[in-house]
Amino acid sequence: ELKVEQNPLFLSMQEGKNYTIYCNYSTTSDRLYWYRQDPGKSLESLFVLLSNGAVKQEGRLMASLDTKARLSTLHITAAVHDLSATYFCAVGNDNDMRFGAGTRLTVKP
Amino acid sequence: DTGVSQNPRHKITKRGQNVTFRCDPISEHNRLYWYRQTLGQGPEFLTYFQNEAQLEKSRLLSDRFSAERPKGSFSTLEIQRTEQGDSAMYLCASSLGIGVFYGYTFGSGTRLTVV
Repeated sequence: ELKVEQNPLFLSMQEGKNYTIYCNYSTTSDRLYWYRQDPGKSLESLFVLLSNGAVKQEGRLMASLDTKARLSTLHITAAVHDLSATYFCAVGNDNDMRFGAGTRLTVKP
Repeated sequence: DTGVSQNPRHKITKRGQNVTFRCDPISEHNRLYWYRQTLGQGPEFLTYFQNEAQLEKSRLLSDRFSAERPKGSFSTLEIQRTEQGDSAMYLCASSLGIGVFYGYTFGSGTRLTVV
């Protein structure tokens, strides 16, 4: 059964600092996703990674994928308060997607 | 078409009552998914439709749960004889599902509270 593990589950960081969120998954999969969720809101798609070595960047967020290690990272550069949210990675194929438990990020001034 | 629409946004019901939620996907998307999310957890897959056909159901989808997608457009998720453990956010998502895969678009969800 496909399992997706994220760490850390909680992350408190100061503005301007860098940090990385890790996502490990247990079986081979077609693709990996990163989503953002604000409290009480739905999920917003950030990145879709389709192949080994894929790297995508949007603003202060950069996601990468290593399919051999079954590992994806979400790197945060020079964090700002607006990035405070819960970040989920998800792994799957066209039939369904399995989510990690999420990383609750708080960026403090 | 402004995205995936879910109704109602919130539902409070007494234990034992039946509830039904509706999801209107993006019109050109042929795939539709239902997920359940409890507080502090990631969404859990419930079921998936391609057009009107329900192709996969999770073990989480007990016999009290039923989902339909008549005519391959909107979908409904019904929970019969609700229990307090059914309290969660129910999320619907849709995708194009053909050719290059762009990912899922999620609706805002229906928050169910069973009292």
